Amino acid sequence: QQQVKQSPQSLIVQKGGISIINCAYENTAFDYFPWYQQFPGKGPALLIAIRPDVSEKKEGRFTISFNKSAKQFSLHIMDSQPGDSATYFCAASYDNNNDMRFGAGTRLTVKP
Amino acid sequence: KAGVTQTPRYLIKTRGQQVTLSCSPISGHRSVSWYQQTPGQGLQFLFEYFSETQRNKGNFPGRFSGRQFSNSRSEMNVSTLELGDSALYLCASSFLGGVNYGYTFGSGTRLTVV
Repeated sequence: QQQVKQSPQSLIVQKGGISIINCAYENTAFDYFPWYQQFPGKGPALLIAIRPDVSEKKEGRFTISFNKSAKQFSLHIMDSQPGDSATYFCAASYDNNNDMRFGAGTRLTVKP
Repeated sequence: KAGVTQTPRYLIKTRGQQVTLSCSPISGHRSVSWYQQTPGQGLQFLFEYFSETQRNKGNFPGRFSGRQFSNSRSEMNVSTLELGDSALYLCASSFLGGVNYGYTFGSGTRLTVV
């Protein structure tokens, strides 16, 4: 079932640094690629999303880079803060389908 | 505006029992989807209900079922519980259905099967 591979499993970054999480997908029919942030005891919350006709999307400190030919996309968190410490999931879906395929998650720790 | 509400937050059940989980979507949202989250398998789609009809189903056994009421609230039922059913069960709601528009997750129900 796993169609989206995410790396790394865990990431430790110093405050002010850049956090980079990578995902690769297999199904070329995917047309929607969101990133979710999940804090302990909470459900995932949408952070930012991109469609394959765009190579980059930026919202505040969060940027998605998308490489259609390589079937890869990544999340960059600039100026990482301790409050960003959470688990991040990439996902993919097609035709607005609720059957989203999630990556395994990356546990990010930002040290003060 | 209230978010997606899932009850109960925590449940402990014995193997072989059945369990019912509840999800109240954001007001006005007509679609409710359910996901299972485990450390080993991650987040996996169970099914989606829209206007009281199951519209999509993931790859789970028939022990997992659901329904949706006319007020869009949804319930998920798991019969003959197995130890492997221990997980965080999440529901997500959206207005039109589909993940592209206002897809919001609840905080989940943590089910432990002993």
